[in-house]
Amino acid sequence: DVKVTQSSRYLVKRTGEKVFLECVQDMDHENMFWYRQDPGLGLRLIYFSYDVKMKEKGDIPEGYSVSREKKERFSLILESASTNQTSMYLCASSLFWTARTNEKLFFGSGTQLSVL
Amino acid sequence: AQTVTQSQPEMSVQEAETVTLSCTYDTSENNYYLFWYKQPPSRQMILVIRQEAYKQQNATENRFSVNFQKAAKSFSLKISDSQLGDTAMYFCAFMKRPSNTGKLIFGQGTTLQVKP
Repeated sequence: DVKVTQSSRYLVKRTGEKVFLECVQDMDHENMFWYRQDPGLGLRLIYFSYDVKMKEKGDIPEGYSVSREKKERFSLILESASTNQTSMYLCASSLFWTARTNEKLFFGSGTQLSVL
Repeated sequence: AQTVTQSQPEMSVQEAETVTLSCTYDTSENNYYLFWYKQPPSRQMILVIRQEAYKQQNATENRFSVNFQKAAKSFSLKISDSQLGDTAMYFCAFMKRPSNTGKLIFGQGTTLQVKP
């Protein structure tokens, strides 16, 4: 069965800490995504990557960075965590899309991050 | 830029009855996909149904069907014979086509409670 695994289900950090959220997929997917989910706002794209070492900013990249050194792993980094980054973070992956394919996104189970 | 709007934050329905969740979107694109995703309390996002904009026929998947009105930019989800397991948050999403990245734009979400 296909799988996207996020390393932590719940995480509590202090303001100013450097935070790493890890995501691993076992499907050999080219594309990987980090979304942030907040009540009333839905899911918003932070960053995505379409290949190793390649990344593009999403809609809300401020305060975040990412790393993709290996195809299966996509890390989200909060350089200096702040209370407004308290949120649910969802990782997803997909095959490289073309006009002829209609592969869907596969999601992890999310990391609920609390920054105190 | 594309936007997706779900104007019903919460809904409830009695078991075995039918419920319709609303979604509107704004885009200048002519070719795109629309999706409904389900997020149960486990937080695992599940693809419910997908509609391709160039297809006039409404998509159906068992008890789930959509009413796709392209001119009105409306994409509602109908759940027939509601079951307790349908209790979840439902997200409407848009994707431009063709897309090499599979980027999805999500609505704010609708929490559906199915009552016994």
